[in-house]
Amino acid sequence: KAGVTQTPRYLIKTRGQQVTLSCSPISGHRSVSWYQQTPGQGLQFLFEYFSETQRNKGNFPGRFSGRQFSNSRSEMNVSTLELGDSALYLCASSLARGANYGYTFGSGTRLTVV
Amino acid sequence: DAKTTQPNSMESNEEEPVHLPCNHSTISGTDYIHWYRQLPSQGPEYVIHGLTSNVNNRMASLAIAEDRKSSTLILHRATLRDAAVYYCILRPYNTGTASKLTFGTGTRLQVTL
Repeated sequence: KAGVTQTPRYLIKTRGQQVTLSCSPISGHRSVSWYQQTPGQGLQFLFEYFSETQRNKGNFPGRFSGRQFSNSRSEMNVSTLELGDSALYLCASSLARGANYGYTFGSGTRLTVV
Repeated sequence: DAKTTQPNSMESNEEEPVHLPCNHSTISGTDYIHWYRQLPSQGPEYVIHGLTSNVNNRMASLAIAEDRKSSTLILHRATLRDAAVYYCILRPYNTGTASKLTFGTGTRLQVTL
């Protein structure tokens, strides 16, 4: 079965621009989470969506936002890009919420801000 | 959030068993123990999880101490493809916070011929 699909794989943007990243979860998975990975900070939780509602949010500025559609696909948006936003952005999906479910991660979108 | 402590790195020979330890002395009674691994240039991959009893799946085994203050991920026969960073993560039962995976620095496993 198809895994978690993230598009695009690579992206180069200029400081001050905005960017939208897309995530298609595994069919039937309803929970989608986003993570940022950088060499300095490691993997950090951005937010989680379930049934088109944001259920949990990490400690990131309001420039980072997301949404989930009725088919569970999700997008995240970063506005007014800064050099420090350069990172690997990972999407993960799970069948349901709760600690007894594992997450399947995509391969990520590598964002470079210049 | 309860914290986990893992060694920074470990080495193993190919086809040997590997025991990756994780200490979580402040674990609460309803925290699940999850393990993920991240291979180079890939997103993290779910390995296994458990609550109280030892667990086995096709990838690995999870041994949980009786007091639950520590656990060990066991790879029965390491291969070069098992070289990765392994993360031990506690997830609270509370649905509201369980969705947030808190990754530490993990254990970098090197596998040699």
